[in-house]
Amino acid sequence: AQSVTQLGSHVSVSEGALVLLRCNYSSSVPPYLFWYVQYPNQGLQLLLKYTSAATLVKGINGFEAEFKKSETSFHLTKPSAHMSDAAEYFCAVKGGGFKTIFGAGTRLFVKA
Amino acid sequence: NAGVTQTPKFRVLKTGQSMTLLCAQDMNHEYMYWYRQDPGMGLRLIHYSVGEGTTAKGEVPDGYNVSRLKKQNFLLGLESAAPSQTSVYFCASSYTGRDSPLHFGNGTRLTVT
Repeated sequence: AQSVTQLGSHVSVSEGALVLLRCNYSSSVPPYLFWYVQYPNQGLQLLLKYTSAATLVKGINGFEAEFKKSETSFHLTKPSAHMSDAAEYFCAVKGGGFKTIFGAGTRLFVKA
Repeated sequence: NAGVTQTPKFRVLKTGQSMTLLCAQDMNHEYMYWYRQDPGMGLRLIHYSVGEGTTAKGEVPDGYNVSRLKKQNFLLGLESAAPSQTSVYFCASSYTGRDSPLHFGNGTRLTVT
């Protein structure tokens, strides 16, 4: 079985500061991991994915995530936050089957 | 290229009423999914389909039914709506590979009074 835990339902940063959104996963098989972003009144969009190639994955809008098997983590980072990054972010895991399991989400606030 | 289209965008039902949510995708994806999104709970899988004519239960299937008569369409039905089904519903689709991400519609906001 798979599960995802996102630490912190809300994260607030100043514009220009580092963004760090935490995700830990559990999977009985080597996982495929995803980060999605949701802007208000929209569906989720893919930010980046880990599929067992490079452990440091770069995505859109300057985001990246590092897969750490020993820590079962896949934290999302961005060196410098922009006002347009304010949104809700979801970490998700796919195990051996068809299903994608989502974390509860982290809402990112960016202060001017 | 429309991607994944959901109708309607909003709906208000009274307890006990029925309705069908429509999802259409134009990407020739094999897999389709229905999720519900509730505050603090992320997205929970209701039902999914791995091909035309097939459906399967997800995490929270009770009170819902689905059909996939055509590859491009996936319908979600509520036979007798309950206030606990007040939620935002998202349809998604994907290719068959494990590395294939989900493509989402913009959601249907349903309120049951």
